[in-house]
Amino acid sequence: DAKTTQPPSMDCAEGRAANLPCNHSTISGNEYVYWYRQIHSQGPQYIIHGLKNNETNEMASLIITEDRKSSTLILPHATLRDTAVYYCIVRVAFEAGANNLFFGTGTRLTVIP
Amino acid sequence: DGGITQSPKYLFRKEGQNVTLSCEQNLNHDAMYWYRQDPGQGLRLIYYSQIVNDFQKGDIAEGYSVSREKKESFPLTVTSAQKNPTAFYLCASSRTAGNQPQHFGDGTRLSIL
Repeated sequence: DAKTTQPPSMDCAEGRAANLPCNHSTISGNEYVYWYRQIHSQGPQYIIHGLKNNETNEMASLIITEDRKSSTLILPHATLRDTAVYYCIVRVAFEAGANNLFFGTGTRLTVIP
Repeated sequence: DGGITQSPKYLFRKEGQNVTLSCEQNLNHDAMYWYRQDPGQGLRLIYYSQIVNDFQKGDIAEGYSVSREKKESFPLTVTSAQKNPTAFYLCASSRTAGNQPQHFGDGTRLSIL
């Protein structure tokens, strides 16, 4: 799986958009970008994933650059409950043996009142 | 609601004792996984199962055992052979087709008495 680089921490004012960047310059053509978040002492929560097109769901938007070397997770209106560690992961689609999710250190997002 | 249930939330083990962590899912997912998370670190894969009655070792299987007798259940036993069992244990499940994400339970925190 490709290595990802994320800033260790970010702050965001409540009600504003939170833009979390991720670099994955060695991503392969068949690797997807996944985003999870983890609130202290809870299991990781799946947010969104994509291959090359921008994606949006009820939680967030995912913007992937045209060369796929980086992406940005956007939380459109951050709330205090969005305070968590956010992980960007790149991996191939499910296949035998490729089952591990490599969680790096992620970005600790703090939403400020 | 559909989801993954892990129990207990907290578990204490005496030296030389085996303990079993429960994981149940009602998402009708074929694949299930066990991860271990140590403080400030990412997830490490212990075991995974793609289908009933079959499972594979992950990166750190030594000192652990699993069974998959039912599709919805994937219990993990931490044996006395696991010398450093104190950790946060996470169970996940997913479909086995394409790019489907893994969904996680809320974890079991295991400590040694």
